[in-house]
This record gives sequence, C-alpha cells and structure tokens, in this order.
Amino acid sequence: ETGVTQSPTHLIKTRGQQVTLRCSSQSGHNTVSWYQQALGQGPQFIFQYYREEENGRGNFPPRFSGLQFPNYSSELNVNALELDDSALYLCASSRQGAIGEAFFGQGTRLTVV
Amino acid sequence: AQSVTQLGSHVSVSEGALVLLRCNYSSSVPPYLFWYVQYPNQGLQLLLKYTTGATLVKGINGFEAEFKKSETSFHLTKPSAHMSDAAEYFCAVSDPSNYQLIWGAGTKLIIKP
Repeated sequence: ETGVTQSPTHLIKTRGQQVTLRCSSQSGHNTVSWYQQALGQGPQFIFQYYREEENGRGNFPPRFSGLQFPNYSSELNVNALELDDSALYLCASSRQGAIGEAFFGQGTRLTVV
Repeated sequence: AQSVTQLGSHVSVSEGALVLLRCNYSSSVPPYLFWYVQYPNQGLQLLLKYTTGATLVKGINGFEAEFKKSETSFHLTKPSAHMSDAAEYFCAVSDPSNYQLIWGAGTKLIIKP
C-alpha cells in the first residue's frame, strides 16, 4: 500500500457537468502528477504540481485544471465533461528529483453519460 | 519527442516458463526508463527503473530488464512465471529535464496453469 489515496473511487456524471477529483499524497512527497488512463490504454500525463505551482502539462485542454494545497494534496477539476473523458484518473505523488519513483493511488473511475 | 512501443498487447506463458515483455523507446536525450505493473482495479506499482550506470536492472518480484542503447530497447524478463504475475505491465520513458512519464500502451500478461 502506497499511502496515496484518491476520492471518490467511482463517479458517474452527465455530459456538460463539472467534476472534482481529490488526491492525498504520500507523507514527505511534494509533487503530484495526474494521469488519464482510458480503457485498454496506457496513462496519459495531464499535469504536475510542485509546491502549489503547475510544473508541466500534457496535451489536455484548459477545461482540465488543478490545484495543489500547502499540505501537498491535490485536486483535478474537469469542466464541461465530454463522453471521451470517461477513464481512470490516476494521481501519483513523488519527491521532486526522485526520478520515476512515483507512488500511485488506486484511481478514480469516471464515467460520463 | 519521446515515445514508447510495447510489442504485444497480450502475452501468454505457462507457469514456470520464461517471461519476456518487449519495450522499445524513442528519445532525443538519454532516457530514464521504467517498468510498472498494474493489478486489476489497482494503481500502478514501480517494478524497476534505469537512470544511469549498470544496464541490467533488477527489480521486485524477480523481474529484471536490460537497457540496450543500440537497440533502443528495455525488455522485461523473469526466468520463471508465477500465477501471481498475471497483471498488466507498462513501460515508460522520462525526459530527465521534466520528470514527465511517457507510457506505452501496456501488455497484459496471462499465466497458464
């Protein structure tokens, strides 16, 4: 068990709605990354937060936004949900500079109908 | 731009047989390479990583991988498969300058009794 917790575990939303996903990082970790994993595919990098600032972003539209709080927990917000946003959303926490040693939560399964 | 190709979306081996999962990468800079495992309904767990130094890397659960620069490969092996190895395996590459992970599409390992 990694100590990274995500909530909720499952979520069903209607197209056009907004959603907020939450992630508590592992103790001692100051960096949080978010990934989208569509069914049958590898994760796609959404963005990374380090010390409450966005520190890199993948090829996702601005309706995907995030926050990192002083305790290093994080939120992923998605506005104007589309059917294609249905996926497993993974949060990973790490120490800045600890290359690739990211610890993943179990993910939030989002279904958009 | 970096990319990862995993050959074979499904690999089936008998219990006790050699496991070989293939990963080829493309990178304009010396890459950092990783293998992660994902069990059903769980997050991703780091198996092993290559950053610098010895090209043969040993990981958890008896897995190892060899970085071959000339072949741009980082194949994952295990001498003897166990039923508990059944999972999906992801190869990833990271640009050392930004820590972002670029993922392959994954290979589902099936173990036959």
